[in-house]
Amino acid sequence: DAMVIQNPRYQVTQFGKPVTLSCSQTLNHNVMYWYQQKSSQAPKLLFHYYDKDFNNEADTPDNFQSRRPNTSFCFLDIRSPGLGDAAMYLCATSRDHNQPQHFGDGTRLSIL
Amino acid sequence: GENVEQHPSTLSVQEGDSAVIKCTYSDSASNYFPWYKQELGKGPQLIIDIRSNVGEKKDQRIAVTLNKTAKHFSLHITETQPEDSAVYFCAASTLIGSARQLTFGSGTQLTVLP
Repeated sequence: DAMVIQNPRYQVTQFGKPVTLSCSQTLNHNVMYWYQQKSSQAPKLLFHYYDKDFNNEADTPDNFQSRRPNTSFCFLDIRSPGLGDAAMYLCATSRDHNQPQHFGDGTRLSIL
Repeated sequence: GENVEQHPSTLSVQEGDSAVIKCTYSDSASNYFPWYKQELGKGPQLIIDIRSNVGEKKDQRIAVTLNKTAKHFSLHITETQPEDSAVYFCAASTLIGSARQLTFGSGTQLTVLP
């Protein structure tokens, strides 16, 4: 059974139209991560939550925001998607820092 | 910051042969090294990991070796099968601020030819 679930698997939005991607976990892990992965590249960390503490990467654009209303759920909000934001967005969880990260199958975002 | 280099970028082997993927890292403080397998349209799946207090770890056909002095670690897959075909990423856990985060290599596309 999937332990890190991302919805939807595919998302199409229009240039500039806000979009929200969701992630849920059944592992009760403390840490939840959001990565962006472009074609033929490694995942790039956008930000992560340790419990309720939000940690943003220095080079993550302001256009990207996140919310974690409870332990199980985490959301990625893209306020004004540009063409360059088309990518696979991966959610991962870990029990603690420096522990194995478990990834969902991602949401592939397309921008029209 | 940490820099993880991964080689080769593509690797083709005959079914039954072994495959080796190598990574080097720059930060001597890195202490956790996972390997992920990513199939097309799916998220990365952790296949094996190693911590810096261990030199080698094996799980059936998969093994990882770590040389802390040389700052490199390698993935070894023996008796390869077509279902091993995927992109493989190495990573190193680096201390950034107060948190440890993964820095990924650029990936290796492994193709196992039947």
